[in-house]
Order: sequence, then C-alpha cells, then structure tokens
Amino acid sequence: EVQLVESGGDVIRPGGSLRLSCAASGFTFGDYGLSWVRQAPGKGLEWVSGITWNGDRTDYADSVKGRFTISRDNAKNSLFLQMNTLRPEDTAFYYCARRENSGWYFDYWGQGTLVTVSS
Amino acid sequence: SYDLTQPPSVSVSPGQTASITCSGYKLGDKYASWYQQKPGQSPVVVIYQDNKRPSGIPERFSGSNSGNTATLTISGTQAVDEADYYCLAWDSGTVGVFGGGTKLTVL
Repeated sequence: EVQLVESGGDVIRPGGSLRLSCAASGFTFGDYGLSWVRQAPGKGLEWVSGITWNGDRTDYADSVKGRFTISRDNAKNSLFLQMNTLRPEDTAFYYCARRENSGWYFDYWGQGTLVTVSS
Repeated sequence: SYDLTQPPSVSVSPGQTASITCSGYKLGDKYASWYQQKPGQSPVVVIYQDNKRPSGIPERFSGSNSGNTATLTISGTQAVDEADYYCLAWDSGTVGVFGGGTKLTVL
C-alpha cells in the first residue's frame, strides 16, 4: 500500500525557518517525481514545489521561490521542504503528493501537516 | 504565469448532471486532471489525462478538454459527491497550476 506521511509542521514566528519531511512507503520511491502542495485554512490548493525522480530538476511557485528548497533522499525514501523567511501567508496544510509516471497528475497524497506562521 | 479559472460554486439536484469547468489559455493542449476533496480529507484524483478514470472512481465521473476549457461531468449526481473539486494542469510540464476550486452542492 502506498503511503506518504508528512511531519514537521509547527507554529513558527514570521521570519523563521522550518523543515518538513515526507516519509514514503509501499512503492519504489526513486522511480517517482514528487511535489509539495499547500492549502491555507478554508482556501484552495496551491502547488508549491516539485522535484524529479532523481532530484536533478526542481521547480517552485513564484510565491515561494528563493525562500523554499525542495530535496529528497532516495536512500531513505524521504522528501523534504526547507522553508525559510516564513510569512503569515505561508500558513497552510502542506501535502506531499506523488506524481504519476506519465507525469501529468498526482495519484497519491499524504494527510498533510499544518504550518502556522504567527507572532 | 499560467492561470486556471473555475466557478466558485455549482449546485445540482440529486440524480441530475453536474458540470464543472476549468478555463485556461490553450488548456486543451495540456493534460487536465481533477481532484475531489471532502472536508478534513486529502484530495483524491477522479479524472486524469483529461478523461481517464482511476480504478475505484464511479463511472458517473467523466471529463473532457478542448480549446481553452476542461470540463468535469458528474452524471446522476449523488449526495456523496458533494465536495470541493479542483482542476490541475502543468505549465511547461514542470510547474503545477491548480484552479481556484469549485464547491459542488447537491440539493
């Protein structure tokens, strides 16, 4: 069974940093691209960042470019999101999602982890 | 940047057909997928590559994509289909873009 389990969400002050993790199981982790998708409370989905199966390409939404860094460790079946210079508008549930091998959709999602940026 | 536009809300009577649109520049040249999200749950794909249904998704869900508009159609809508629906497409193949979401009400 494919599982994606996010962790690392917390309450953090504006300007602070946080690192999210996504632990994967039930599939060959190194065969798939992955993304982070966030959802502010009561709002819609926003794609945040994506990484290819081997990590050779990363992409970011304009709203986080230069502040967030996505990475992965295929030996540990783990995906990460380093978030720096956090802003109140970064407050959201952050989901880890697997990009299906055809590349055009997300076939599995984690349950999300909540990041709250507040003073 | 690329944008996708969805109506904020759609209402449908039980048993009727619901159509939810997603509009973007030359969206028909890209693959669209659709996600259903119920309160407190993670999104679930209901349509991928414009018109394909994942296993386990009822046949009443269908999709199309042409020109500037992708459409999710739910035939014989049931109360259990009440949820938020989001379209997704990829800009330059690597940057994901979601529509703003549509709240489907079955009344």
